[in-house]
Amino acid sequence: EADIYQTPRYLVIGTGKKITLECSQTMGHDKMYWYQQDPGMELHLIHYSYGVNSTEKGDLSSESTVSRIRTEHFPLTLESARPSHTSQYLCASTKREASYNEQFFGPGTRLTVL
Amino acid sequence: KNQVEQSPQSLIILEGKNCTLQCNYTVSPFSNLRWYKQDTGRGPVSLTIMTFSENTKSNGRYTATLDADTKQSSLHITASQLSDSASYICVVSDRGSTLGRLYFGRGTQLTVWP
Repeated sequence: EADIYQTPRYLVIGTGKKITLECSQTMGHDKMYWYQQDPGMELHLIHYSYGVNSTEKGDLSSESTVSRIRTEHFPLTLESARPSHTSQYLCASTKREASYNEQFFGPGTRLTVL
Repeated sequence: KNQVEQSPQSLIILEGKNCTLQCNYTVSPFSNLRWYKQDTGRGPVSLTIMTFSENTKSNGRYTATLDADTKQSSLHITASQLSDSASYICVVSDRGSTLGRLYFGRGTQLTVWP
C-alpha cells in the first residue's frame, strides 16, 4: 500500500467556512494531484503539481486553491465552502519518471457542506 | 473526444462465481490502460497496467485483457470473494502530453453476496 495520507477523512462544515484538506506522501514523489469524485461518477482532475512551487489547474474548474511549498505536502484550500463543494476529494502522487505514470491514491476526504 | 465507458454500471454475483467487467475507450494516442479497485470510502488501488503491446495481464484472481485494435478491455474475476465487493475503475492514459493525462471511467460497482 502506498504511503500517501489525507486528513481529515470526513468533514462536515457550514457554508462560508474556510477549510484546508491535507495531503502528504512519504515516497519523495515529484508529481501530485487532486481529484474530485461524486458518487457513481468518474474522477475529475482539479489541480496538479510537478514539484515545489509548481501548481496548475486541472480539467474541472474548481474554486479551490493549492500550494506546494514542500515536496511531500500538497494541501487544498477552500476559502468559503458552499454546498456545491460537497464531494469526495482524492489526492494522488507519482514519480516524475515513473513507468506508465502510475498514480498512487490517498484514502480520500469526504466533504459535506451544509 | 477522449472517453472511457464501462459496463455494466453495477453487478451482483454470488460468492465463488466468476464475472467479467468491460471497458471501451476512445483515448488517442494511447499509452496504457489500468484497472483500479476502489473500496467504499477509500482511494483507488491499482490492479493491473497494460501497454499497447500487452494482451493479457494477471494479478492473482484478476485477469485483464486488452484489444488495442478495437479499443476494448475486460477485467475477469475468478472465484469471487466477499472482499471483491468494490468499484472497479478503468483508466486510460494518453501519451500526447508530458502530464500523461488520465481518463477515468465511472466504474462498475460489484457486489458479491454470500
